[in-house]
Amino acid sequence: EAQVTQNPRYLITVTGKKLTVTCSQNMNHEYMSWYRQDPGLGLRQIYYSMNVEVTDKGDVPEGYKVSRKEKRNFPLILESPSPNQTSLYFCASSSPPPRRGVSQPQHFGDGTRLSIL
Amino acid sequence: KNEVEQSPQNLTAQEGEFITINCSYSVGISALHWLQQHPGGGIVSLFMLSSGKKKHGRLIATINIQEKHSSLHITASHPRDSAVYICAVQGGSEKLVFGKGTKLTVNP
Repeated sequence: EAQVTQNPRYLITVTGKKLTVTCSQNMNHEYMSWYRQDPGLGLRQIYYSMNVEVTDKGDVPEGYKVSRKEKRNFPLILESPSPNQTSLYFCASSSPPPRRGVSQPQHFGDGTRLSIL
Repeated sequence: KNEVEQSPQNLTAQEGEFITINCSYSVGISALHWLQQHPGGGIVSLFMLSSGKKKHGRLIATINIQEKHSSLHITASHPRDSAVYICAVQGGSEKLVFGKGTKLTVNP
């Protein structure tokens, strides 16, 4: 089954304790992206990757890191989480990568709810 | 100001009613997406369109490029249609810009 898998689905942690949210897709998609969703603000892009070893900042990258060493995986790293990073996070993928004038539907993971105390 | 505006923010309907959700955007776009987010949180892509109209089952999406406006219609609504519906546009870059969503509740 074609899917985007995020882990964990839920996490409660404390300020400053490094954490990683994993994202894996089995569709051989070039493009992967991380979003956060907050009440009243909608979905906002954190980082995205057009292909292996190619990553770029989205609209709200502060406090996050990503890596794309393999095509299928795109982990989101919070080196020193803070309460303002409490949110619902989504990973998404698509192929071919979106570019000016060309768009494709994105496949979303089920979301990861992070609470940082 | 958000470049993508959805209306209404909240919508409550009775089962069987015809539903319309609107999306307006302020920039030229290459495509517009309609997404559905169920109460459990997962997001699925319903439509991607750049002109005209698309239909899938009881769902219909239309777009008017000149007026920078799109509508999502649900015919014969059902409680299982209860969800948040999100409009997103791709403009001059590879990024998607999202609306804040419309929460639909369909009562039996």
